[in-house]
This record gives sequence, C-alpha cells and structure tokens, in this order.
Amino acid sequence: NAGVTQTPKFQVLKTGQSMTLQCAQDMNHEYMSWYRQDPGMGLRLIHYSVGAGITDQGEVPNGYNVSRSTTEDFPLRLLSAAPSQTSVYFCASRKGGINEKLFFGSGTQLSVL
Amino acid sequence: AQRVTQPEKLLSVFKGAPVELKCNYSYSGSPELFWYVQYSRQRLQLLLRHISRESIKGFTADLNKGETSFHLKKPFAQEEDSAMYYCAAQGGSEKLVFGKGTKLTVNP
Repeated sequence: NAGVTQTPKFQVLKTGQSMTLQCAQDMNHEYMSWYRQDPGMGLRLIHYSVGAGITDQGEVPNGYNVSRSTTEDFPLRLLSAAPSQTSVYFCASRKGGINEKLFFGSGTQLSVL
Repeated sequence: AQRVTQPEKLLSVFKGAPVELKCNYSYSGSPELFWYVQYSRQRLQLLLRHISRESIKGFTADLNKGETSFHLKKPFAQEEDSAMYYCAAQGGSEKLVFGKGTKLTVNP
C-alpha cells in the first residue's frame, strides 16, 4: 500500500509557466484535497473532491484548477504560475465522513521565480 | 467565518515538563476537532480526534464548548515530541480548516 503519492517532490518554475502537480492514492478513498503550506499561515485548503467527477473550491482556489476523472487521481494545475504560488503543496485523502482522518502525501515544494 | 486559532507560533519546554498547546475555534454549531502533527522529515499525520476520546503518545485534548477550546496536553514532555502541531476543525461542510500551527521544541 503506497498510500498517497505526490509527484514531483521539488519543482522550480518561471512566472507564467504552467504545470500539473500529481496526486494518486491507492486506498479507494472518496475524498481528496489539496492544501498549501506557507510559513506563518498553516495549511490552507485549495480545492477538494468528494468523488470522481465532483470538485469544489476551498479557501484559496484562485490560480489553481483541479479535476477528478478517477477515484485514484486528483491533479492540481497551475495555469500561469506566479511568485505568490511559491509554497509547499500537500495532497490528502480520506475514506468516509468528516470524522475520519486525512492521509497526507509527502508534499511538493514549488518555487516560482 | 470558520476559524481555528493557535495563539503560540513557538513553544519551548524542558524534557519532563508539562506541555499545553492551545487551540480555539470559531464555528457555528459543533465542529469535529482534530490535532495533526508533523515530525521533522515526516508526513503530516493525525495525532488524535475529539470523537475518539483517545490518548495518543501520552497526549490528550479536552473540548471546552463554553470557551470553544480544544487544547492539547501532555503531563511529561519527551524530546521526540518536538514537532509542528496543527489544530483542525470541520463543520458541516467538507472543508477541514487548520490553524497556523505551533512549533513545539522539547529541550533535553
């Protein structure tokens, strides 16, 4: 069981470039989400999905797109990267309701120059 | 607005001393409450959740609805408890909201 797998671990982009952060889980979890972690700001929810074909916005969705075509995968797309998107990004998933724990990926450290 | 507040960015104690990490929440209704921990070079992971009434690694958390607090406590801190701790709350929606975190350092 790999759990939640994020790729890449590190990425450097130039302003205006686009890229996709990958997230996959092999636990058959319905719920998946993306957070960004910034110093002094904690974790902030970007987007989440409660199942294949269903996505919704979190606290800080601007500049990011998501899709959920399969239960396993939940990619996060940056269409035109900005320096303000320099952060550590975490994908997390859970099975069941809001009482269940989140399983986190190991994170992607993104720098936008 | 839904909000989780951890007033201390940094907390430093000596080994064997009691430790309390504070968490206050602002929610309508009764949210589900959690503590997550991130040890150095490890993934963020659940430490404990209110609904389970559990004690994990000697930590407990008491819900005080009157004060809207969910403070994390341990009577005798250990060096391996040094980590980043996040309080989190979830209301009726699917959005789990985290506090800004408290970095705990346990000195030998």
